[in-house]
Amino acid sequence: DAGVIQSPRHEVTEMGQEVTLRCKPISGHDYLFWYRQTMMRGLELLIYFNNNVPIDDSGMPEDRFSAKMPNASFSTLKIQPSEPRDSAVYFCASSPSRTGSYGYTFGSGTRLTVV
Amino acid sequence: DQQVKQNSPSLSVQEGRISILNCDYTNSMFDYFLWYKKYPAEGPTFLISISSIKDKNEDGRFTVFLNKSAKHLSLHIVPSQPGDSAVYFCAASGEKLTFGTGTRLTIIP
Repeated sequence: DAGVIQSPRHEVTEMGQEVTLRCKPISGHDYLFWYRQTMMRGLELLIYFNNNVPIDDSGMPEDRFSAKMPNASFSTLKIQPSEPRDSAVYFCASSPSRTGSYGYTFGSGTRLTVV
Repeated sequence: DQQVKQNSPSLSVQEGRISILNCDYTNSMFDYFLWYKKYPAEGPTFLISISSIKDKNEDGRFTVFLNKSAKHLSLHIVPSQPGDSAVYFCAASGEKLTFGTGTRLTIIP
């Protein structure tokens, strides 16, 4: 298995533009998570899906952020409009379970810079 | 409110010596605690975990200790090697995985 695949690896965009981050989870993993990494807050959970259904979006910072999972092999995180404070590394992770001793498998992340 | 805290943002250790990374948590309902390792430009990768019913778990050079009364866990790496230089995140498993802010470990040759 190729692991969790994220695209793009880097994204530079201007304030106000729409940004779409993409994720392909590991086949067979029922859970998909979107995390954001910042210096101040570390890895914070934005939203997670179970069997393509959003379960907990309490970490989504504001209405500018939205996430979808149209099928078991694809998810998107969209920011519209983007702001400089959204600059961070965004990780997608997948897992066969929500909790447990082996945690989640992470992708390599998308480094977003909003100028 | 941070439920999982790593109070040391960075740590430098001489090669061959012991590295000790610390983590504190507030929620006594967490059932597993995990450590992840992250290299630059890569995603975090799972390193080692411990069940809340245990106080120690060892895997090669890595040992995790859990002190439930103090709500504290630590990761010991011995002996430390240059390839251990990375950011280490502790995480707690409850309704979901909650991560700390990370500690950057630098092993000095």
